[in-house]
Amino acid sequence: QLQLQESGPGLVKPSETLSLTCTVSGGSISSGDYYWGWIRQPPGKGLEWIGVIHHRGDTNYSPSLKSRVNISVDTSKRQFSLNLDSVTAADTAVYFCARWSSSSGFFDPWGQGTLVTVSS
Amino acid sequence: DIQMTQSPSSVSASMGDRVTITCRASQGISSFLAWYQQKPGKAPKLLIYTASNLQSGVPSRFSGSGSGTDFTLTISSLQPEDFASYYCQQAESFPLTFGGGTKVEI
Repeated sequence: QLQLQESGPGLVKPSETLSLTCTVSGGSISSGDYYWGWIRQPPGKGLEWIGVIHHRGDTNYSPSLKSRVNISVDTSKRQFSLNLDSVTAADTAVYFCARWSSSSGFFDPWGQGTLVTVSS
Repeated sequence: DIQMTQSPSSVSASMGDRVTITCRASQGISSFLAWYQQKPGKAPKLLIYTASNLQSGVPSRFSGSGSGTDFTLTISSLQPEDFASYYCQQAESFPLTFGGGTKVEI
């Protein structure tokens, strides 16, 4: 069964770059119909979509984050990654990775999530 | 951007109650709507996709309906494990957007 696992630093300093990796196991990252995405959730708040990437490399990002976000994929490692530049305290959140079905539009499955705190 | 408005933001209910959560899109999204359940400290779990399709393994007490701009998630008989937060998400167009969430509590 397909599983996703986020990894990366839990603490990032303001103005630096947040970098997370999602590792896919139990299935292929190169399935044609699927994209791979990032969603975040600030403490006590709702879900915010960050962006998605296809294994061929085409991406789509949230307009509110587009200037600071880059999502990349490494199919050989079955991983995709999130880089978010110039972070502030407002970027403190639990970051989830998930598979996105482009035909039906849903996210499933999800990683367990990882809390990233932006603080000096 | 398509805005998703959920109501109510919270609902108090008892075991066995029928609970209905509404999600309204700011413009038509056909049936490109998903519902998720999230428990504290956990990742969201897919319940319903394309408005009314039950994800495999999800109990049949959950159902979804609607198309266009108005959608509902219904829990026919609330069970202890259903106390959680619920989110809708549209996928008609980018940027993908979520509703603000509904907390179902005792």
